[in-house]
Amino acid sequence: AQKVTQAQTEISVVEKEDVTLDCVYETRDTTYYLFWYKQPPSGELVFLIRRNSFDEQNEISGRYSWNFQKSTSSFNFTITASQVVDSAVYFCALDVASGTYKYIFGTGTRLKVLA
Amino acid sequence: GAVVSQHPSWVICKSGTSVKIECRSLDFQATTMFWYRQFPKQSLMLMATSNEGSKATYEQGVEKDKFLINHASLTLSTLTVTSAHPEDSSFYICSAPASGAENYGYTFGSGTRLTVV
Repeated sequence: AQKVTQAQTEISVVEKEDVTLDCVYETRDTTYYLFWYKQPPSGELVFLIRRNSFDEQNEISGRYSWNFQKSTSSFNFTITASQVVDSAVYFCALDVASGTYKYIFGTGTRLKVLA
Repeated sequence: GAVVSQHPSWVICKSGTSVKIECRSLDFQATTMFWYRQFPKQSLMLMATSNEGSKATYEQGVEKDKFLINHASLTLSTLTVTSAHPEDSSFYICSAPASGAENYGYTFGSGTRLTVV
């Protein structure tokens, strides 16, 4: 069965702190895609990153970085020097079968960055 | 890149009435559309998959007679919440596959917040 677990329901940090959001997934497929989305209060899903199962290279984009480890089925997301604008709900998602666009979402982590 | 336009962004309706939500693929053909529902402070759950020209496929526990899905063309899928009740109040969002690696993961609608009073 496919599943995405985000154990952290809510995290509060003070501005400029680093924060890591955890994501653990389960799938029997050998080829799959993982995603991270940001959902601000307005509700729309903002795409952050896509990663395929064959690419375990970590990725950095500005203050954002992702650590993908197949050995532990984890795809963690770190925000460096957090800002108030980073406050949102963050979802990790798994495409149930590569390329179908049919996602299983984690339960989300609500990040509050305090000034 | 591929864009999915969803309307309305928000709607308030009276209990017992029906509400239609539209999702359009603006610059690509969407033979499939996924509909998700998100209750407050919860995750997005797949409700159903609509396919152009055929019946939608509903996930377990989703009432097909209550959530009518029509995918009459390659660019339009609609979700109608029939006889809405307060417990149907939720955030509904659609997603469609679009060709091209650059589109993979991007093509979500902006969502519809439904409040039934």
